[in-house]
Amino acid sequence: SQTIHQWPATLVQPVGSPLSLECTVEGTSNPNLYWYRQAAGRGLQLLFYSVGIGQISSEVPQNLSASRPQDRQFILSSKKLLLSDSGFYLCAWGTHNTEAFFGQGTRLTVV
Amino acid sequence: GQQLNQSPQSMFIQEGEDVSMNCTSSSIFNTWLWYKQEPGEGPVLLIALYKAGELTSNGRLTAQFGITRKDSFLNISASIPSDVGIYFCAGHPGAGSYQLTFGKGTKLSVIP
Repeated sequence: SQTIHQWPATLVQPVGSPLSLECTVEGTSNPNLYWYRQAAGRGLQLLFYSVGIGQISSEVPQNLSASRPQDRQFILSSKKLLLSDSGFYLCAWGTHNTEAFFGQGTRLTVV
Repeated sequence: GQQLNQSPQSMFIQEGEDVSMNCTSSSIFNTWLWYKQEPGEGPVLLIALYKAGELTSNGRLTAQFGITRKDSFLNISASIPSDVGIYFCAGHPGAGSYQLTFGKGTKLSVIP
């Protein structure tokens, strides 16, 4: 069966520091991969998606970037965090361009 | 862009009561999904609907894909305390798109 791993679960980082969140998927090949952000108040905002290695599409301009160095690995990064980058970050995978299956999430607090 | 209106925003119900929530859209979706999210966790897919008019159950949960393809509802029968959480609807427009559109969620509280 397919599983998705996302880490770390929580992170507190100072303003201006770099960020790297990692997500890996097991049990499937060539999945679509997604990074979402969920601010307080619940809405899910799609940040990036990838349909293959090295292919990244950005949905919103921001201080973040994503990379997919391997088929089942998706990384969310920032060179310098802002206070407004705080939130709950969710990685997800899917096939057939429809369903998305989410990881456990990373709670990021920028201080 | 596409938007989903999900209602109600929150619900307080007595244990054992039935629950109904819905999502409406100004545009057509080819897939409707319902998720549940508990505090500090990622959303978990409950039910996926792929055809207009489709009615699908998952235990005490039942969801329907509206005939117009612009709406969907989720019913929970005989609620229990572990039903507490935020329920999200999501729609997918079909081939050529990789993006799901999410509703803002319905926060469900169950009073024992």
